Amino acid sequence: GAGVSQSPSNKVTEKGKDVELRCDPISGHTALYWYRQSLGQGPEFLIYFQGTGAADDSGLPNDRFFAVRPEGSVSTLKIQRTERGDSAVYLCASSLELAGVADTQYFGPGTRLTVL
Amino acid sequence: GDSVTQMEGPVTLSEEAFLTINCTYTATGYPSLFWYVQYPGEGLQLLLKATKADDKGSNKGFEATYRKETTSFHLEKGSVQVSDSAVYFCALRRGRDDKIIFGKGTRLHILP
Repeated sequence: GAGVSQSPSNKVTEKGKDVELRCDPISGHTALYWYRQSLGQGPEFLIYFQGTGAADDSGLPNDRFFAVRPEGSVSTLKIQRTERGDSAVYLCASSLELAGVADTQYFGPGTRLTVL
Repeated sequence: GDSVTQMEGPVTLSEEAFLTINCTYTATGYPSLFWYVQYPGEGLQLLLKATKADDKGSNKGFEATYRKETTSFHLEKGSVQVSDSAVYFCALRRGRDDKIIFGKGTRLHILP
């Protein structure tokens, strides 16, 4: 009965480098969400997948950010040409679909990204 | 747009004190309301929820009632413990498959 897992737990990178963050949802959960939590703030929505497709990507801040979920399970959030302002904790959540509607979201421990 | 406003922290109380953390929201329609908790070194956990007006969510001695007339969802506990020290987030979701909108969080410190 594993929960949502994310890797790495910490990532330090230099400005301008690309990074990839991974999320393993709870087995059987078809809905997957990415959020970003800056210091002292609540999590902010980035993108939502239902199965393999992005159902809502309205929270992605710019075109340096994109996410994929090719097989409807694991998802990767990719940030290109990182900037210092991208430093935050990136959270992943998943939920079960009941009668065609996503239920309670369960969160992973997050990946803390630091851009130097 | 939709938003959540909660009282700023940190909130410091002595053990066994009564706790209230205020939360108000702005949303179209009838959102579901949540309190999430983040214990030190751990991920976000759902504490309680309410899906319609006048519903009361409760868990671990915490309660919150969905008040549509005042657009509020205040978190209360009658007697706090040191183990309740954490950051508490009020949140809403418009549709069951929609994104969650969080408040900024309230850090709670309970002194023994």
